[in-house]
Amino acid sequence: AQSVTQLDSQVPVFEEAPVELRCNYSSSVSVYLFWYVQYPNQGLQLLLKYLSGSTLVKGINGFEAEFNKSQTSFHLRKPSVHISDTAEYFCAVIGSAYDKVIFGPGTSLSVIP
Amino acid sequence: DTEVTQTPKHLVMGMTNKKSLKCEQHMGHRAMYWYKQKAKKPPELMFVYSYEKLSINESVPSRFSPECPNSSLLNLHLHALQPEDSALYLCASSQDPLHGYTFGSGTRLTVV
Repeated sequence: AQSVTQLDSQVPVFEEAPVELRCNYSSSVSVYLFWYVQYPNQGLQLLLKYLSGSTLVKGINGFEAEFNKSQTSFHLRKPSVHISDTAEYFCAVIGSAYDKVIFGPGTSLSVIP
Repeated sequence: DTEVTQTPKHLVMGMTNKKSLKCEQHMGHRAMYWYKQKAKKPPELMFVYSYEKLSINESVPSRFSPECPNSSLLNLHLHALQPEDSALYLCASSQDPLHGYTFGSGTRLTVV
């Protein structure tokens, strides 16, 4: 069965510092991975996705993620965060029937001025 | 139009009331979804409609009744809800899950 684990429930970081949000996955079929962001009082927005090809994926708002098959990881990174990056971040994987997305528990990123 | 529009944004209802949540998309997406999200938790899938037919029902109680009148509209009818049903209800659409979902901003439901 497909699942994702986000080990850090909360990540505080100072403004302009780099950040890495960790995601590990478990999959019995081909792996398709996503990162979504949810700003306060809003719906979710797709940040980036890995379907195939280059293991380094670039997304919106300066975020990138690296797919690592040997470590079953898909960590999200940004070299310099801004106050506006404060949000909940969800790693997600496609279900085994490719008909739905399964979300991880989420990581709350707080950017400190 | 690249948005999913949900109405109302906020809803307070009593346990004996009947209400409906509405969702609309004009991107031509073939699939539409209802999710329930509690505070500080990930979204939980409730229903999936594909080509206007219900394809997934994640064992949701019958007090929640989905309806897809056409390819652009998705409704969620609510009846005899419990206080524990209070949550953010999110609608999403996609052409293919591999392409990613487009989410609406949600309806904040409070059951009193």
